[in-house]
Amino acid sequence: AQSVAQPEDQVNVAEGNPLTVKCTYSVSGNPYLFWYVQYPNRGLQFLLKYITGDNLVKGSYGFEAEFNKSQTSFHLKKPSALVSDSALYFCAFMTTDSWGKLQFGAGTQVVVTP
Amino acid sequence: GAGVSQSPSNKVTEKGKDVELRCDPISGHTALYWYRQSLGQGLEFLIYFQGNSAPDKSGLPSDRFSAERTGGSVSTLTIQRTQQEDSAVYLCASSSLAGGRTDTQYFGPGTRLTVL
Repeated sequence: AQSVAQPEDQVNVAEGNPLTVKCTYSVSGNPYLFWYVQYPNRGLQFLLKYITGDNLVKGSYGFEAEFNKSQTSFHLKKPSALVSDSALYFCAFMTTDSWGKLQFGAGTQVVVTP
Repeated sequence: GAGVSQSPSNKVTEKGKDVELRCDPISGHTALYWYRQSLGQGLEFLIYFQGNSAPDKSGLPSDRFSAERTGGSVSTLTIQRTQQEDSAVYLCASSSLAGGRTDTQYFGPGTRLTVL
């Protein structure tokens, strides 16, 4: 079955340090990959997506992600984390066989400490 | 502009009752999606409306679940004879499809359903 995996349930980082949230994919064909963030009692907010083209994708709030086909990864990164980045992060994918259906990873809780 | 709105924000019901959840998409968005977020199952796709095409209902977990979209705008998700396992946050999203079917889906705040 096609899927994305987020291997870390939680990532802890000190404010000002680099933040990385990992995502690997197991998708046949060309995957369309997305990152969303969820703050407590809020819906999902879109951060960025990879559809085609440049492997480095820049998104909202200073986040970026790199599509790495050889490692089947799409890790989310931010050079300097803020306390306000503490939230639940979801990696998701869509394929040409499943237009419109975002399929999500289990999520990674990010905790940024002052 | 206004984002996706959902109502009610919270709904508590008794097992066996029917519930209706409402979604107002972003104005002008032609595609509308329903997802469910629960502790046990994570985030799951339920149903997808695209313009006037027949909806993709492949994610609906049982025939107790149905959804309609009236006038290409507002959508209602109906759960009949609710069960405790239906307790979850129901999220609605919309997209414009102007950039194709990978256009960004924008989510509403969700409706938290609790079945007692």
